[in-house]
Amino acid sequence: KNEVEQSPQNLTAQEGEFITINCSYSVGISALHWLQQHPGGGIVSLFMLSSGKKKHGRLIATINIQEKHSSLHITASHPRDSAVYICAVQNYGGSQGNLIFGKGTKLSVKP
Amino acid sequence: GAGVSQSPRYKVAKRGQDVALRCDPISGHVSLFWYQQALGQGPEFLTYFQNEAQLDKSGLPSDRFFAERPEGSVSTLKIQRTQQEDSAVYLCASSLRVGGASYEQYFGPGTRLTVT
Repeated sequence: KNEVEQSPQNLTAQEGEFITINCSYSVGISALHWLQQHPGGGIVSLFMLSSGKKKHGRLIATINIQEKHSSLHITASHPRDSAVYICAVQNYGGSQGNLIFGKGTKLSVKP
Repeated sequence: GAGVSQSPRYKVAKRGQDVALRCDPISGHVSLFWYQQALGQGPEFLTYFQNEAQLDKSGLPSDRFFAERPEGSVSTLKIQRTQQEDSAVYLCASSLRVGGASYEQYFGPGTRLTVT
């Protein structure tokens, strides 16, 4: 069983829809990261959080430490949001902060 | 300011060749990570440096993989006698992280290695 599980694996939405991507993890963590990866490989950090909720523009990330679950929400989705969204955790007490990644959710937003 | 850069961006190697992949982290970043990302998968940890010290190499898949960061800035990941299963995107990330705190990691664009 992977230590970080994401769902769904693939997601197609119409422009304007509200999108939710889920992440569950099985290890103790010091932080959880949401990352965006565009075709060509570049990864951009969207959020790093260890409790509660963070918002940046149309993106919202929440985490429930007790349930070991996080969600990434995109409001008013747009075709430019099409990318792979990856959840990654920093294992508490683990090796100097290296990340453990989920397999990613491929999002396609149609105009 | 400049982000993390990696070179080459693309590398095609014949099976059995040695390759060297370079990472230039953000200036002043103490921590440097190498990750390997197979097609359709999430990245997986290879090795970690704090300054010039390689503190964790538990993710390196075999002794054909070697990484160094001799002056605590630029790092090189070397793969000897490449095999087809080494084909992947190799990502480098750096962060200000020191000790037990959690810091954001900044990723380079990756090097796509194809072994034929």
